Amino acid sequence: GAVVSQHPSRVICKSGTSVKIECRSLDFQATTMFWYRQFPKQSLMLMATSNEGSKATYEQGVEKDKFLINHASLTLSTLTVTSAHPEDSSFYICSAEPQGASSTDTQYFGPGTRLTVL
Amino acid sequence: GQNIDQPTEMTATEGAIVQINCTYQTSGFNGLFWYQQHAGEAPTFLSYNVLDGLEEKGRFSSFLSRSKGYSYLLLKELQMKDSASYLCAVRDGKTTDSWGKLQFGAGTQVVVTP
Repeated sequence: GAVVSQHPSRVICKSGTSVKIECRSLDFQATTMFWYRQFPKQSLMLMATSNEGSKATYEQGVEKDKFLINHASLTLSTLTVTSAHPEDSSFYICSAEPQGASSTDTQYFGPGTRLTVL
Repeated sequence: GQNIDQPTEMTATEGAIVQINCTYQTSGFNGLFWYQQHAGEAPTFLSYNVLDGLEEKGRFSSFLSRSKGYSYLLLKELQMKDSASYLCAVRDGKTTDSWGKLQFGAGTQVVVTP
């Protein structure tokens, strides 16, 4: 159980286009999902916290108008990178915290999306 | 602010033991997690500590001292498949919607040699 999927797994796009990444919890409901970005040989950097039915909370330095997050249901959150540029090329990973999770439960991570902007 | 430090890389031989240290200075604390991450893949959960002491889970053990802001992950009987990056993550305070955000260290690359 506790499987999180991401789609697409890899995407290559031209500079200036927008890219949407989906994060789905397949066998549980998640009130809260998190979006991370990871550059090569660096750690995961939290971008934003996504709560179902409300606006996302962005970390300092993350442009909310560039990285649009929608958490429309208890099993789906989407991240849209608008007007992507080469510096946005990165590994984007989502995680989901199960609804009703206990304090000892971990977040469950998706397999990641490799974005390359040409 | 948040500051989570761990060594960049460690090398050990198959069958040996390796200890990865993590020190942290964070504004809130609601548990410390260790994850394993292979290149290009998502992190997988290894261990969780919220109280001081040692948690043992098979070949992996994790220790926490909250007063010292210190944790370690101990990998015993190393296998080649243990070559990966190991991430220390501190969870900050609980909110109304979640148990808290994770802040990650930069990761320790463990290289297991034959």
